[in-house]
Amino acid sequence: NAGVTQTPKFRVLKTGQSMTLLCAQDMNHEYMYWYRQDPGMGLRLIHYSVGEGTTAKGEVPDGYNVSRLKKQNFLLGLESAAPSQTSVYFCASSFGGHEQFFGPGTRLTVL
Amino acid sequence: QQQVKQSPQSLIVQKGGIPIINCAYENTAFDYFPWYQQFPGKGPALLIAIRPDVSEKKEGRFTISFNKSAKQFSLHIMDSQPGDSATYFCAASKGGGGADGLTFGKGTHLIIQP
Repeated sequence: NAGVTQTPKFRVLKTGQSMTLLCAQDMNHEYMYWYRQDPGMGLRLIHYSVGEGTTAKGEVPDGYNVSRLKKQNFLLGLESAAPSQTSVYFCASSFGGHEQFFGPGTRLTVL
Repeated sequence: QQQVKQSPQSLIVQKGGIPIINCAYENTAFDYFPWYQQFPGKGPALLIAIRPDVSEKKEGRFTISFNKSAKQFSLHIMDSQPGDSATYFCAASKGGGGADGLTFGKGTHLIIQP
């Protein structure tokens, strides 16, 4: 089992460009999450999904969109990247029952 | 509004010492309190977790102490080793299986000196 995988691992964007981050899990988990991690801020929830075809906003959703078309995948989109979105993005999944398994992260820099 | 407050921000302990990291929460709807360990360049990994119906939980060298009335919980690492050097995050989630995600503290950067 690969667990939770994220692509890409690194990305540099210019302000205004768009991109999609892909998260995939092979544990048949129902719940999936996107967090961002900034120095001194801990991890903050962007969006989450409690099942295929569902999405909901977390603590810091502005500037991001998500889709969960397949149970195993959770996509995070940035339509028009801003320097404030420079961060490390983590995807996580959970069967339900609280324990979350995290991916290795995507380091995004917006110039 | 920071719902989970963590302290200290950084901590240096000699090998064999007992680092203690503290967290306080505000939302009484929280019913699950995990600690995550993160090494540089890696994603967080669950270390140990507790629910509010118990006051203490031990797993190996790691212990969580929980004080429901004070809305505080802490992580103790017994016989600390240099390999324990990492960033530690406390977190909390609400009922319903934590479907709506974890609320994290800001993290503690722990260094265990040989």
